[in-house]
Amino acid sequence: DSGVTQTPKHLITATGQRVTLRCSPRSGDLSVYWYQQSLDQGLQFLIQYYNGEERAKGNILERFSAQQFPDLHSELNLSSLELGDSALYFCASSLSGTSTDTQYFGPGTRLTVL
Amino acid sequence: EDQVTQSPEALRLQEGESSSLNCSYTVSGLRGLFWYRQDPGKGPEFLFTLYSAGEEKEKERLKATLTKKESFLHITAPKPEDSATYLCAVQATGTYKYIFGTGTRLKFLA
Repeated sequence: DSGVTQTPKHLITATGQRVTLRCSPRSGDLSVYWYQQSLDQGLQFLIQYYNGEERAKGNILERFSAQQFPDLHSELNLSSLELGDSALYFCASSLSGTSTDTQYFGPGTRLTVL
Repeated sequence: EDQVTQSPEALRLQEGESSSLNCSYTVSGLRGLFWYRQDPGKGPEFLFTLYSAGEEKEKERLKATLTKKESFLHITAPKPEDSATYLCAVQATGTYKYIFGTGTRLKFLA
């Protein structure tokens, strides 16, 4: 158990819908990362937050948005869902968000878009 | 463009058969190179961070090395519990973005 929690574990929805994935970092960690893992593209870095502020942006679609709240939990919002958005979404956390940190990954949310 | 390529895609090892996994990278400047292992349906688990060419790190049966263009993850005398997908990632200087390779699936043959 990494100490990072993600809810829900599974999510099944239809094309065109909007969903919210939630992540609670390890106690004391200030930085949160979001990743998407699909069979054909591997693990893709989406976005990083540090203490409520966006720090880095990767291959995140405009239909996706995220934020980190004052209590440090984070939410990833996915809208106008397409079949290709079906994937495992991981959240990770680290102490200060630098390369010397260890990232601890959560168990993931499996999103299925029908 | 920053890129990470891992080989082989899959590897089958028998007891006592050691091997190396390769991670080739192309970045303008390397801030850090990371190795993770991932079990099916679970989140990646951190193994090592390497920062400069010539650096080596060890943990039980695993040893990671780094050159200016690639990293190797050496597995010595693998055990069944070493079966997993091994992921390599890099972070380039001037950015906090992480770029992952597609991984090497390691399977231990009893």
